[in-house]
Amino acid sequence: EVQLVESGGGVVRPGGSLRLSCAASGFTFDDYGMSWVRQAPGKGLEWVSGINWNGGSTGYADSVKGRSTISRDNAKNSLYLQMNSLRAEDTALYHCARVTVGAVAAFDIWGQGTMVTVSS
Amino acid sequence: EIVLTQSPVTLSLSPGERATLSCRASQSVSSNYLAWYQQKPGQAPRLLIYAASSRATGIPDRFSGSGSGTDFTLTISRLEPEDFAVYYCQQYDSSHTWTFGQGTKVEIK
Repeated sequence: EVQLVESGGGVVRPGGSLRLSCAASGFTFDDYGMSWVRQAPGKGLEWVSGINWNGGSTGYADSVKGRSTISRDNAKNSLYLQMNSLRAEDTALYHCARVTVGAVAAFDIWGQGTMVTVSS
Repeated sequence: EIVLTQSPVTLSLSPGERATLSCRASQSVSSNYLAWYQQKPGQAPRLLIYAASSRATGIPDRFSGSGSGTDFTLTISRLEPEDFAVYYCQQYDSSHTWTFGQGTKVEIK
């Protein structure tokens, strides 16, 4: 079964850090680009960051640029998001998502998400 | 940054009716890079349409996508009870970033 399972969320104080992880299974991980998408409570979807198949190309939303780092370990079939200088507005459910192969760049597999709460 | 504006914000319809959802981009979007997702409460989003008009695996043919340039449409030909949900459009651009529209909620009238 193709699956993505996120972990690493929790409650953190403003200014703190968290490292989110996404474990992939059921497919050849290093064939695919990956992304992180977040959803604040009661709000819409916001793309956060993306990485290509080998980690050689990354991108970030302006809202997290300079504070977050996406990475992957293909040997461990895992995706990561290091988040620093966290703010209240970073509070959200964070999903990892698989980018479709080919020149279409859609997200065809999603994890259920890990919740990040930034609060003093 | 390309901004996607979806309309209407809420669509109130009855089962069996036709739903037409709009997604307008602030700049031209490659049709290859326009997708639609469905999200139900408590669930992760599900890919419905990619490349503006191609249905994802397992998506019923009552869902269809169309459009080009700055105007795209998702049509649900006859609403089934399980189709009442929030729908998002998404684009990918040459700066290697993605953006989502704010969503359209399809609710039971």
